[in-house]
Amino acid sequence: QEQLVQSGAEVKKPGSSVKVSCKASGGAFSNYGVSWVRQAPGQGLEWMGKIIPISGTTKYAQKFQGRAMMTADESTGTAYMVLSSLRSEDTAVYFCARDPVTVGPGILDSWGQGTLVTVSS
Amino acid sequence: DIQMTQSPSSLSASVGDRVTITCRASQSIDIWLAWYQQKPGIAPKLLIYKASSLESGVPSRFSGSGSATEFTLTITSLQPDDFATYYCQQYDSYPLTFGPGTKVEI
Repeated sequence: QEQLVQSGAEVKKPGSSVKVSCKASGGAFSNYGVSWVRQAPGQGLEWMGKIIPISGTTKYAQKFQGRAMMTADESTGTAYMVLSSLRSEDTAVYFCARDPVTVGPGILDSWGQGTLVTVSS
Repeated sequence: DIQMTQSPSSLSASVGDRVTITCRASQSIDIWLAWYQQKPGIAPKLLIYKASSLESGVPSRFSGSGSATEFTLTITSLQPDDFATYYCQQYDSYPLTFGPGTKVEI
């Protein structure tokens, strides 16, 4: 099954932006979606949004609309998530996950290892 | 948004026990429900999809059932590797939403 490898931990100042990458081990996304899910320390899972790399189509949770941007580079098999205007509440582990459904919502059947983003002054 | 709840929030069990976790949706989601297992510091792992379909490679002691608004995850004969937190997730509509989790402890 496709493995997803994420970029390393980041420490950011409030008000700045962070960019997290997620690379497909096979080098391509093979016509599936990539969702981003975050988990604050000791908390549950929160879906942020999804991108279909082959088309660039995105869907965001309303909470992150306008503050998160998801993109993908099909040539390198890499998806990106940029979260801007960071605040302390954004401190979390950010996961990318494969969603085999390209039309509509789906399951998350393969996950990256997670990227810890710490927002601190 | 569809709200997901789980009960109990935590439970204590022993190896060999049968464990049942309940997940409820705030509106009907048909069978569009998945279950995940997460261990500390590790990404979640898909166990069950479409309410009762077992993901490839997942032991058969895990099973799921339910439809509409009420679902259950059952682990027959709990194994040491099963001590973890379990989350349900609906994918009937956007945004995807997760239950708050059930921690299965010794």
